[in-house]
This record gives sequence, structure tokens and C-alpha cells, in this order.
Amino acid sequence: DGGITQSPKYLFRKEGQNVTLSCEQNLNHDAMYWYRQDPGQGLRLIYYSQIVNDFQKGDIAEGYSVSREKKESFPLTVTSAQKNPTAFYLCASRSAVKAFFGQGTRLTVV
Amino acid sequence: QKEVEQDPGPLSVPEGAIVSLNCTYSNSAFQYFMWYRQYSRKGPELLMYTYSSGNKEDGRFTAQVDKSSKYISLFIRDSQPSDSATYLCAMSATGGYQKVTFGTGTKLQVIP
Repeated sequence: DGGITQSPKYLFRKEGQNVTLSCEQNLNHDAMYWYRQDPGQGLRLIYYSQIVNDFQKGDIAEGYSVSREKKESFPLTVTSAQKNPTAFYLCASRSAVKAFFGQGTRLTVV
Repeated sequence: QKEVEQDPGPLSVPEGAIVSLNCTYSNSAFQYFMWYRQYSRKGPELLMYTYSSGNKEDGRFTAQVDKSSKYISLFIRDSQPSDSATYLCAMSATGGYQKVTFGTGTKLQVIP
């Protein structure tokens, strides 16, 4: 089945720790995106990538980093510099127009 | 002012009612308009997609775009309890792999 796979579904981070969220797609889409979703704030764009080995900052990139070494993969690292990382993280890929989402990773700081 | 405005609700309707969900936007460059349905703790699911102005119908769902007013709507006929979810509007400008801008979502509850 074609789609977007995010893992893990739940992730717990200790203070000062970096964690990496995985996103894999087999839709052959060039563009991939990371969004953060908080209650009452909708989806906010963290980073996006239009092609392998290239990516751009979104609206709230501080404290996050990404890589795009393969077309299928767009991992997101939440660094210790992100002071409020508890949120629901969504990865998406996009054909020329339509964007499709994974099932999300819920990150909690403990 | 946000580029996309959407009433967060919650919106509560009886089963069988017609539901109207709306978004307004300020960026006249937007050409592609989408509606997503998101169940609790799940990723958004693409429901409808329209290009430029006009109507599009798919089963119980109808999407309308009025670019002159910068206003889009999603209508749900014969609403069902399974329609209870958060509905997100989304839009992007024409050409290339432009970023997609989302509304904050409207939470809908359909009461049996």
C-alpha cells in the first residue's frame, strides 16, 4: 500500500535530549513537510523539502533540524534548543497539488 | 492577521443535518484549496480538492470556492455521527511545490 509512515507513534524525551522522528513515504513524491500541531493553533510548518539534499525553514524552525538524503525519507530531529517540544508532529508529502499525511508522532517531555 | 481564518467551533448538530464549514483567506495568490478531516490523535485525511473558483461534489460532500470574496466552504449533507471530527481547510498558490497553509480547524460533533 502506498502511503506515509511515521514512527514512533509515541515518544518521550528527557530534558536536554535530542530525539529524531522518522518519516518514510513510498508515494514517489518530491516534496515533503513537517508540521507541528498544538491545540487551538492548527498546523504550523517546521521545515519542508522540495527535492533531495535541499530543504527550507518553515514558520517555526528554531530548535529543529532535518535532512533529506533520500527521496523516501525526511527525518526530523527535535534538539535540546527547542524549549517547548511537547506536541503532535505530522509529516506530509505532496504531489503537484495534494498533500497526504502520516498518522503522526506524539512527543512528550518528561 | 492570519493568512487563513477558520472558526474553531465546536459545532454541534443533530444527525441528518446539513453542515456548513467555512474559511476566509487574505492571500490572493491561493489557487488550490483542500479540505481535510482529522479524527482525534490521527493524521489529517484529504477529503476534497478544488482548483480556482467553483463547486465540486463528492457523495455527501460539496466544496465551494469564491475567490472574489476569498471564501471557501465545505457542505456535508445528511450528516452522520461518523462525521464527528475536526475539519481543516488548506490552500496553496499555483505553481511548483508551494507550501500549504492550513486553517486552525473546526471541531464538528454530530449527535445521534
